[in-house]
Amino acid sequence: DVKVTQSSRYLVKRTGEKVFLECVQDMDHENMFWYRQDPGLGLRLIYFSYDVKMKEKGDIPEGYSVSREKKERFSLILESASTNQTSMYLCASSYGFQETQYFGPGTRLLVL
Amino acid sequence: SQQGEEDPQALSIQEGENATMNCSYKTSINNLQWYRQNSGRGLVHLILIRSNEREKHSGRLRVTLDTSKKSSSLLITASRAADTASYFCATGSNSGYSTLTFGKGTMLLVSP
Repeated sequence: DVKVTQSSRYLVKRTGEKVFLECVQDMDHENMFWYRQDPGLGLRLIYFSYDVKMKEKGDIPEGYSVSREKKERFSLILESASTNQTSMYLCASSYGFQETQYFGPGTRLLVL
Repeated sequence: SQQGEEDPQALSIQEGENATMNCSYKTSINNLQWYRQNSGRGLVHLILIRSNEREKHSGRLRVTLDTSKKSSSLLITASRAADTASYFCATGSNSGYSTLTFGKGTMLLVSP
């Protein structure tokens, strides 16, 4: 079974802090994705990566950056956290861009 | 931009009844997928239907796709309380270089 893990289930940070969210997949998938999920807005794509060191902006990249140094690991970075980044963050991976995505359990981030 | 839109936004039924959710989309697609999300968790892939398929079954799930109407439906037969979750459709557009786009979901409540 594909397994996607995220570093934290719950995280509380202060405004202005640098925040790292990590995601690891164990199925040798080429593609990895970061979404945020907010009530009434559904899932919105922040960034995705189709290979090591490669990244592409999604629909809402502002305020975020990503890093993919190894194939199995995709990190989301909030350079200076703000309260409007309080959200549920979901990581996913897949073989193909439009093929089945496998999701991690999510990280619920609260920025105070 | 949102591609798939689910309808209804919320659905409440009794155990044993069938649940039908619909998804409409705007542009031509390669495939359409349905995912389930239990409260506060990651999404789980249910079924993928390709643009040249009209119907697909998986256990108690039946998905139909009508590309002429740009719509899909997910039918869950003989619902159980454990089916209580949010259900999302996701579309893979065949225009350009794109990833999946998720709708906002249908919240299904199955009462014992």
